[in-house]
Amino acid sequence: DTEVTQTPKHLVMGMTNKKSLKCEQHMGHRAMYWYKQKAKKPPELMFVYSYEKLSINESVPSRFSPECPNSSLLNLHLHALQPEDSALYLCASSQEVGGVSSYEQYFGPGTRLTVT
Amino acid sequence: AQSVAQPEDQVNVAEGNPLTVKCTYSVSGNPYLFWYVQYPNRGLQFLLKYITGDNLVKGSYGFEAEFNKSQTSFHLKKPSALVSDSALYFCAVPVENTDKLIFGTGTRLQVFP
Repeated sequence: DTEVTQTPKHLVMGMTNKKSLKCEQHMGHRAMYWYKQKAKKPPELMFVYSYEKLSINESVPSRFSPECPNSSLLNLHLHALQPEDSALYLCASSQEVGGVSSYEQYFGPGTRLTVT
Repeated sequence: AQSVAQPEDQVNVAEGNPLTVKCTYSVSGNPYLFWYVQYPNRGLQFLLKYITGDNLVKGSYGFEAEFNKSQTSFHLKKPSALVSDSALYFCAVPVENTDKLIFGTGTRLQVFP
């Protein structure tokens, strides 16, 4: 299984809502990533988890809260978002961190988030 | 600082013709370079990488890339384009001593029948 799955595919939420994005992989990968992608732009790294521990936080606002319950799952909890947070949120995984294989990342299809 | 540049926002090519998507890089030390593709409404897919060794790197779906140190380029090529190759292509380089990838601005490839 070389697939990264993400749910939901689409999410519309108000600025006062709390929601969560989910990501799952069963490739035995030990590194997982959250990216944000605006239309026609490259992905921007938000968070990196290595062996279920947060290793990189790219100065992301606290209204985004990542969680890695186990080595296969990655969540992104959303609270009090702003309309400018509307974007495609991509999850990715790689075999490990700290080596060349960390740059060969498997991406999920993304969750398209709209904040109203 | 490590960076990559993709000088073309869009490349148009007729089906069956060769295609080139350009990427230039600026890195300190020996570069690791990557190409990813993003099909409509999908996540990114890894295509190929250059780490060391042969300057011509072969990847998925018949794509290859040529590493040119003197021109600091890593152009993506395919001998015969397919309509299904139409997608957004990103070159990428790691930030030194981190697990972070920096992506170029992307080039939209449009292959016409």
